Amino acid sequence: QKEVEQNSGPLSVPEGAIASLNCTYSDRGSQSFFWYRQYSGKSPELIMSIYSNGDKEDGRFTAQLNKASQYVSLLIRDSQPSDSATYLCAAASSGGSYIPTFGRGTSLIVHP
Amino acid sequence: EPEVTQTPSHQVTQMGQEVILRCVPISNHLYFYWYRQILGQKVEFLVSFYNNEISEKSEIFDDQFSVERPDGSNFTLKIRSTKLEDSAMYFCASSAVNSPLHFGNGTRLTVT
Repeated sequence: QKEVEQNSGPLSVPEGAIASLNCTYSDRGSQSFFWYRQYSGKSPELIMSIYSNGDKEDGRFTAQLNKASQYVSLLIRDSQPSDSATYLCAAASSGGSYIPTFGRGTSLIVHP
Repeated sequence: EPEVTQTPSHQVTQMGQEVILRCVPISNHLYFYWYRQILGQKVEFLVSFYNNEISEKSEIFDDQFSVERPDGSNFTLKIRSTKLEDSAMYFCASSAVNSPLHFGNGTRLTVT
């Protein structure tokens, strides 16, 4: 059973701070990892994808992957109230069954 | 930017009735998916579709569910005899090969 685990939160940070979101996965065959943002009642929106160990930066977002530890994280710098949402981590195996498995998500609250 | 479109946005039906949820994937994508999200729970995989056939399905996708690509642009999910527990947000998604999924806005299905 492929599992993706996330702390449900809520994670509360002040505006301008760094928010750190974490995720672990059970399937060692997972090769592709994604962070989605989901506002209440809305659909998941892709923020970042990461495929190799290390850091990947895109604007205020940095994804980090450590396959040996089966660990993925997302850092949000200079957090804004508009970043308040649930952040979903997903993992997929490459080739064959490329079916992302989602975690429950971490609720982030950025307070002014 | 191309997007996945879903109709209707909200469907209310009585238990035992059939419903069809519709999706128009992004035009150059080859892989299509249905996921669902029961209120407060994780996004769960239902089925994937490639080359006009189901490529994978989950335990949730039992005989009451079916998918179809009737005309080369639409992708539909049919639930033959709805149950109360089918109430959820249903998300259609599409992707290119080994690429992140792009989700539609979802259909909120309410079974009474």
